[in-house]
Amino acid sequence: NAGVTQTPKFQVLKTGQSMTLQCAQDMNHEYMSWYRQDPGMGLRLIHYSVGAGITDQGEVPNGYNVSRSTTEDFPLRLLSAAPSQTSVYFCASSPTGSNYGYTFGSGTRLTVV
Amino acid sequence: AQSVTQPDIHITVSEGASLELRCNYSYGATPYLFWYVQSPGQGLQLLLKYFSGDTLVQGIKGFEAEFKRSQSSFNLRKPSVHWSDAAEYFCAVIYLTGANNLFFGTGTRLTVIP
Repeated sequence: NAGVTQTPKFQVLKTGQSMTLQCAQDMNHEYMSWYRQDPGMGLRLIHYSVGAGITDQGEVPNGYNVSRSTTEDFPLRLLSAAPSQTSVYFCASSPTGSNYGYTFGSGTRLTVV
Repeated sequence: AQSVTQPDIHITVSEGASLELRCNYSYGATPYLFWYVQSPGQGLQLLLKYFSGDTLVQGIKGFEAEFKRSQSSFNLRKPSVHWSDAAEYFCAVIYLTGANNLFFGTGTRLTVIP
């Protein structure tokens, strides 16, 4: 049981480049989300999804796109990377209902130069 | 705005001393409350959670937390800190409205000195 798998673990981008951060879970969780972690700011919610085909914005959505074509996958796209997007990104999933047992991926450290 | 506050950015304690990390949530809908720990370069590990019932909850690694509705607080405690407890600690809440997203505080970094 792999849990939540994020790839890549590390990435360096040049300003203006695009890329996709991958997130996959094998627990059949309906809910998935993306956070960014910056020093002194905790984890801030970027986008989330409550099921396949349903996505919505979190606290800091600008500059990021998401889609949810399957229950398992929730990729995060940066269309034109900016230095302000240098951060550590975490994907999380949770079953719906009263459990709220969030499982987090191990993170992707992204540097935009 | 719904939020969670951790007023202490950095705390230093001696090994063997007691620890209390503070967390306050904004007044509003009844929240679900969580404490997570993150060791350097690692992901997040759930220490404990409170949904309802007994306001004193026990977690892993000897941690406990007490929910106080009158103070809108959910402080984390440990009676005797070990050097391995040095990490960053995050309080998080789910407000039972809308999509029930998990919102994090800004974190408290714990340093343990011998």
